[in-house]
Amino acid sequence: KAGVTQTPRYLIKTRGQQVTLSCSPISGHRSVSWYQQTPGQGLQFLFEYFSETQRNKGNFPGRFSGRQFSNSRSEMNVSTLELGDSALYLCASSLGRDIGFGETQYFGPGTRLLVL
Amino acid sequence: GQQVMQIPQYQHVQEGEDFTTYCNSSTTLSNIQWYKQRPGGHPVFLIQLVKSGEVKKQKRLTFQFGEAKKNSSLHITATQTTDVGTYFCAGRGTGFQKLVFGTGTRLLVSP
Repeated sequence: KAGVTQTPRYLIKTRGQQVTLSCSPISGHRSVSWYQQTPGQGLQFLFEYFSETQRNKGNFPGRFSGRQFSNSRSEMNVSTLELGDSALYLCASSLGRDIGFGETQYFGPGTRLLVL
Repeated sequence: GQQVMQIPQYQHVQEGEDFTTYCNSSTTLSNIQWYKQRPGGHPVFLIQLVKSGEVKKQKRLTFQFGEAKKNSSLHITATQTTDVGTYFCAGRGTGFQKLVFGTGTRLLVSP
């Protein structure tokens, strides 16, 4: 079974631009979560989607948004990029059957975003 | 909001020495998960603990969930160079709360 895939793997943008990152979960997984990882802040939760609905949201500004499609694929968008948005963006999928309890999160390889 | 701290932030050991990382949550957790992230890689699930006081073992790794379900520990016996990486705990509060990752402990093992 194929793992979680994320595209693109690397991205360089300039301040003020916007970016869209894509995540394809493991086949059959209905829940997708996004995390931002930086050396200083660790793994920070962005949002979680289940069946096209945002179930949880982290403490990030409104510039960060996401969505999930009917095939469970998910995208996240960051508008008006800032230097501090440079990070590794990780997507994780889980089955979504045991909502809110404790399912294994399967992480993708991440998208490394550099904002200049 | 819920916060999950881990100590130490970093530990450098000689191969064969033991290693322990501790995870503490500001709120009671419904369960705790542990992940390992190798340098340049992504987090990989290791184990989940659910019951108060639960202890689970995976070869040289021993995981424990505290009685109050607010803390957890991971102990590695006789570390090997393959144990190098950052170990994260992750907990979810009651209800449909978000999964919160700990600050991580970076382990370096010298041969």
